Amino acid sequence: DVKVTQSSRYLVKRTGEKVFLECVQDMDHENMFWYRQDPGLGLRLIYFSYDVKMKEKGDIPEGYSVSREKKERFSLILESASTNQTSMYLCASSFHGGGAKNIQYFGAGTRLSVL
Amino acid sequence: AQKVTQAQTEISVVEKEDVTLDCVYETRDTTYYLFWYKQPPSGELVFLIRRNSFDEQNEISGRYSWNFQKSTSSFNFTITASQVVDSAVYFCALSENTGNQFYFGTGTSLTVIP
Repeated sequence: DVKVTQSSRYLVKRTGEKVFLECVQDMDHENMFWYRQDPGLGLRLIYFSYDVKMKEKGDIPEGYSVSREKKERFSLILESASTNQTSMYLCASSFHGGGAKNIQYFGAGTRLSVL
Repeated sequence: AQKVTQAQTEISVVEKEDVTLDCVYETRDTTYYLFWYKQPPSGELVFLIRRNSFDEQNEISGRYSWNFQKSTSSFNFTITASQVVDSAVYFCALSENTGNQFYFGTGTSLTVIP
């Protein structure tokens, strides 16, 4: 079974702190994604990566950065956390390109509260 | 422009009732993929089904069935004889031919009342 593991289920941070959210997948997927989920807004893509050290901005990249130093690991960084970044963060991974392998698999999510 | 629309924000049904979740999509690609995911209270999105744009056959899996109609750009999901364990948020998603990015709807929260 595909496994996408997010390092924390719940995090509480203070405004201005630097926050790292970690995601690891064990299926040798090329693509990894970070989404933010807010009530009424569904899932919004923050960043995705299709290879080591490669990244592409999604729909809402402002205030976030990412790091992909190894194929299995994709980190989301909040350089200076703000209260409007309080949200549920979901990591996903998939094989690259379309076709039969194009299914995104998700982690359990990290619920971040910024006080 | 929004690519996937789930107009139903919240639905409540009594156990054993049938319920249909609507999904309407928009794309200019002739090759694309449609998905349904389930998000139970635990938070993890669970993949349910994928259809490609060339396969309009309806699909049934146990109590779940999916109706794909290209003429109306819809990919609706029906749960027959609903159960309390079906309570979750359900997301419809679209992937275009380039394949890598998914477009999600805003989700439908289903509550099944015992």
